[in-house]
Amino acid sequence: DTGVSQDPRHKITKRGQNVTFRCDPISEHNRLYWYRQTLGQGPEFLTYFQNEAQLEKSRLLSDRFSAERPKGSFSTLEIQRTEQGDSAMYLCASSFGEGGRANEQFFGPGTRLTVL
Amino acid sequence: AQSVAQPEDQVNVAEGNPLTVKCTYSVSGNPYLFWYVQYPNRGLQFLLKYITGDNLVKGSYGFEAEFNKSQTSFHLKKPSALVSDSALYFCAVRSPSGGYNKLIFGAGTRLAVHP
Repeated sequence: DTGVSQDPRHKITKRGQNVTFRCDPISEHNRLYWYRQTLGQGPEFLTYFQNEAQLEKSRLLSDRFSAERPKGSFSTLEIQRTEQGDSAMYLCASSFGEGGRANEQFFGPGTRLTVL
Repeated sequence: AQSVAQPEDQVNVAEGNPLTVKCTYSVSGNPYLFWYVQYPNRGLQFLLKYITGDNLVKGSYGFEAEFNKSQTSFHLKKPSALVSDSALYFCAVRSPSGGYNKLIFGAGTRLAVHP
């Protein structure tokens, strides 16, 4: 399968714990995006990378959230001191981007986080 | 503020009938418009996009969408619905003010196609 993969698919944690999610994009894609989707809502943008550079972060991304893409390939999203409000589906997407080209973003299956 | 509205939480249609899922947007400049579909336990799948040119764009699985600049709409259509089309549909926009990078999604419309 050459699509976007995410690991784990499900994560249950207790409030206050740290969690880390991984995303492996489509191999030739230089752009990687993180979104968050809560029940009954559309995905909301969190952050995106072009290669290893994090170029934009949403105001939704509090200082408890950190994302990295150290070698311009896979990315990790860490949430520190989780809160119940962090419970959501975390989606990763990738695309091949050059300037403003509107290449579509391909989404992974998501990581569903439940904070107890 | 940039936003996407999908005014219907759910659309019900009989198999074989035409379907329309509505979307309107509010962004500055010339947006790029997208439709995605989400099946249970699966990721979002790209259906089609409008960038420029012909206002009617065709996409996967027989879906098409019509861009209407004056009404700021991008409704999704299909001439003959299938039961297998039942899923959650999201309209999304990328705007020049966002560098055409991030997608802004609507809240989604659940399509239910009945046999």
